[in-house]
Amino acid sequence: ETVLTQSPATLSLSPGERATLSCRASQSVNNYLAWYQQKPGQAPRLLIYDASNRATGIPARFSGSGSGTDFTLTISSLEPEDFAVYYCQQRQHWPPLTFGGGTKVEIK
Amino acid sequence: EVQLMESGGGLVQPGGSLRLSCAASGFTFSNYWMHWVRQAPGQGLVWVSNIYSDGSATGYADSVRGRFTISRDNAKNTLYLQMNSLRAEDTAVYYCAREMGASHSNGAVFDSWGQGTPVTVSS
Repeated sequence: ETVLTQSPATLSLSPGERATLSCRASQSVNNYLAWYQQKPGQAPRLLIYDASNRATGIPARFSGSGSGTDFTLTISSLEPEDFAVYYCQQRQHWPPLTFGGGTKVEIK
Repeated sequence: EVQLMESGGGLVQPGGSLRLSCAASGFTFSNYWMHWVRQAPGQGLVWVSNIYSDGSATGYADSVRGRFTISRDNAKNTLYLQMNSLRAEDTAVYYCAREMGASHSNGAVFDSWGQGTPVTVSS
């Protein structure tokens, strides 16, 4: 099973600041990594797929990078609606599909 | 507009059974692989199962294999998850999720999710 480790667990930032979230895979997943945003009581929302492709309707302030085992989700300037939990997910080695443990972006 | 609506969750005793449903609309259901993903209270996302667009093949997480069965009725645009021999650790919100591309063209990337149905396994 491919384990995805996200860091930090919690990121405390202010609106307007830049957020950098990390996802590390236990083995190479090539670029087959996606990022999701989840707000309390809501289903996850796809942000980024295949490491760097924004999903339909996702603002340009969200960007993804990386390949192999190390990936980054960057939010260039946090908007109030961006405070949420973010998960990475790999689709290179499955079953099982695996998700990271999540990074909570909270208001400082 | 793509819509996925789960139902069938609830409170069940350990060892009991439940069948979850996911009603799909707004897209050609029979063209898409579908998945179930669950989330225990306060925890992260965990993949449970998948099924091919025509129902010809399925996959399961080790934790549910032999107890859960995924199926679909393309005539009714509905996905199912039959859950037997339920355990306390199966307590979670269960989401159905659609892959982004028809015919698995973009792989297992989930662009549409239902609102989730909660399952509680407790005596």
